[in-house]
Amino acid sequence: DAMVIQNPRYQVTQFGKPVTLSCSQTLNHNVMYWYQQKSSQAPKLLFHYYDKDFNNEADTPDNFQSRRPNTSFCFLDIRSPGLGDAAMYLCATSIDFGNEQYFGPGTRLTVT
Amino acid sequence: AQSVTQLDSQVPVFEEAPVELRCNYSSSVSVYLFWYVQYPNQGLQLLLKYLSGSTLVESINGFEAEFNKSQTSFHLRKPSVHISDTAEYFCAVSDHNNAGNMLTFGGGTRLMVKP
Repeated sequence: DAMVIQNPRYQVTQFGKPVTLSCSQTLNHNVMYWYQQKSSQAPKLLFHYYDKDFNNEADTPDNFQSRRPNTSFCFLDIRSPGLGDAAMYLCATSIDFGNEQYFGPGTRLTVT
Repeated sequence: AQSVTQLDSQVPVFEEAPVELRCNYSSSVSVYLFWYVQYPNQGLQLLLKYLSGSTLVESINGFEAEFNKSQTSFHLRKPSVHISDTAEYFCAVSDHNNAGNMLTFGGGTRLMVKP
């Protein structure tokens, strides 16, 4: 089945130790998104790619970076995780802007 | 700019009772509307959507939502809930006239179905 896959599902990292979360899709969608979701809150958009065009939300910290080496894969890099970065990180895709988004299962990041 | 308000952060209800989760939005242009459901420790799943046409849209598991343009609402309803409906529900809107516009989410409503 076509889907959005996130690995790992659970990630533990130490304060200040770089971490990379991965997302892949078999939907061949143009747009890929990364969201941060903290407990009992709505997802917050960090950035997105339309094909290879990258767009950073204005309030996304510089600590967060992203890479999209090809259509199928997108990575979220957190260069120096702080305790406040502990959250669920959701990857999503859509065929185009404004269309419904398909979400992966998320990666729950714990920072110790 | 657009915004989405989900008036109830939590809705407790007994099994087999009806439920309505409220969603209001503000936008100066035409919108697409969505309801997503999130089960614990999982991603969001699309429950139903309104793009155009009939203002009443239905999901395969008994939920329905009605787009009311005059009241700028898109409330989600189910006539009889099950324990398995316990989850977080997010209403979202996108501006389909703006090619670069993103989804705007409401704050979410936690539906708690009790036996």
